[in-house]
Amino acid sequence: GENVEQHPSTLSVQEGDSAVIKCTYSDSASNYFPWYKQELGKRPQLIIDIRSNVGEKKDQRIAVTLNKTAKHFSLHITETQPEDSAVYFCASPRKFSGGYNKLIFGAGTRLAVHP
Amino acid sequence: DTAVSQTPKYLVTQMGNDKSIKCEQNLGHDTMYWYKQDSKKFLKIMFSYNNKELIINETVPNRFSPKSPDKAHLNLHINSLELGDSAVYFCASSRSRGSATYEQYFGPGTRLTVT
Repeated sequence: GENVEQHPSTLSVQEGDSAVIKCTYSDSASNYFPWYKQELGKRPQLIIDIRSNVGEKKDQRIAVTLNKTAKHFSLHITETQPEDSAVYFCASPRKFSGGYNKLIFGAGTRLAVHP
Repeated sequence: DTAVSQTPKYLVTQMGNDKSIKCEQNLGHDTMYWYKQDSKKFLKIMFSYNNKELIINETVPNRFSPKSPDKAHLNLHINSLELGDSAVYFCASSRSRGSATYEQYFGPGTRLTVT
């Protein structure tokens, strides 16, 4: 199917702890894996993405790892802060007729960081 | 931040009415999208246009009709509104090159409430 499975659906951590969100995709041809952050009442915004030619990418406190064999990728947030509280979405492209891609989004993870 | 803008931001209307949402992007992208985000935060693509050509047309009721007058604009017209149409509708845009997938930039969203 087209599903991108995302876990957990909710995650509660203490400030300073790490948070990990995992997604599994089904299309072995997928080659681009973005993560979006959506704060309450705001638009989704890209925070990090990875392409299939690398296994890991870091940007300050956030990192994404990709395991193409297992078809899963994960978002890692270290030293969490209250402002990290948001809904996080993973996504994976699915090719369809005409050679175009559409992004299939996971169901989202609501992260709450408690001071 | 007016890279992708939508109007109106809020729309409250009664069942059976017809309404339109407008979207504009000034990023020079040639691909635009409409997404629906329901109360459970699930992001589902509805339509996509590439250079004014409809390339994605998901299983959406015929009451929804997109229109792209040029590459920078994508509008969504909804006829005979129903209670189940209540959601946040996001416009997005991205660049495109062949079958590669790139970051999508989302608009601020239009919260539609049908009473």
